[in-house]
Amino acid sequence: QSVLTQPASVSGSPGQSITISCTGTSSDVGGYNHVSWYQQHPGKAPKLMIYGVSNRPSGVSNRFSGSKSGNTASLTISGLQAEDEADYYCSSYASSNTRIFGTGTKVTVL
Amino acid sequence: QVQLQESGPGLVMPSETLSLTCIVSGGSISSYYWTWIRQTPEKGLEWIGYIHSSGSTKYNPSLMSRVTISLDTSKNQFSLSLSSVTAADTAVYYCARVSTIVAVDYWGQGTLVTVSS
Repeated sequence: QSVLTQPASVSGSPGQSITISCTGTSSDVGGYNHVSWYQQHPGKAPKLMIYGVSNRPSGVSNRFSGSKSGNTASLTISGLQAEDEADYYCSSYASSNTRIFGTGTKVTVL
Repeated sequence: QVQLQESGPGLVMPSETLSLTCIVSGGSISSYYWTWIRQTPEKGLEWIGYIHSSGSTKYNPSLMSRVTISLDTSKNQFSLSLSSVTAADTAVYYCARVSTIVAVDYWGQGTLVTVSS
């Protein structure tokens, strides 16, 4: 079982927008609308930010949005804030009822 | 508010079996999938497997030969067993819930397990 590919790092200035990509295959990202995104601060458990490609759980800021095109999903953070500095992971449902995670992206707020 | 708490040894000898338990509070263990996920600095997050409240299981193919996840509904808890461990199994282990939205919505705080003699 392979992993989903994410850029190792993305950075932006406060107020800017950034986008994190998550590339898989037709057996995972491209085949199902069950992509989720997680935010993880150092020493903490991951937190669900996006589910079902583009849905936000209650309590998550609308500055976070998700999308998908083909085998690549994306997370966009608009109006970047200092508190957004964290690691972000994508995850997808995959064939045979399994689950796969991305390699992770470190977001730095300049 | 659902809460999950991992418990188990923080140190396991090589070739032995790693055993962790996750106690679920604030909600019933019924009607959900319950999962174990581990994290290392080198590999990031890795899905280990999950169990449904009905008892059906699914494991990561790369770990399948060594993993067992079980459920005790009477105690509202589920467990992980990973056999024949090596240093490569050293990681922070998280227990978590997979919700009806097919995403992990509640996580335990994580527990560090080190494999070393």
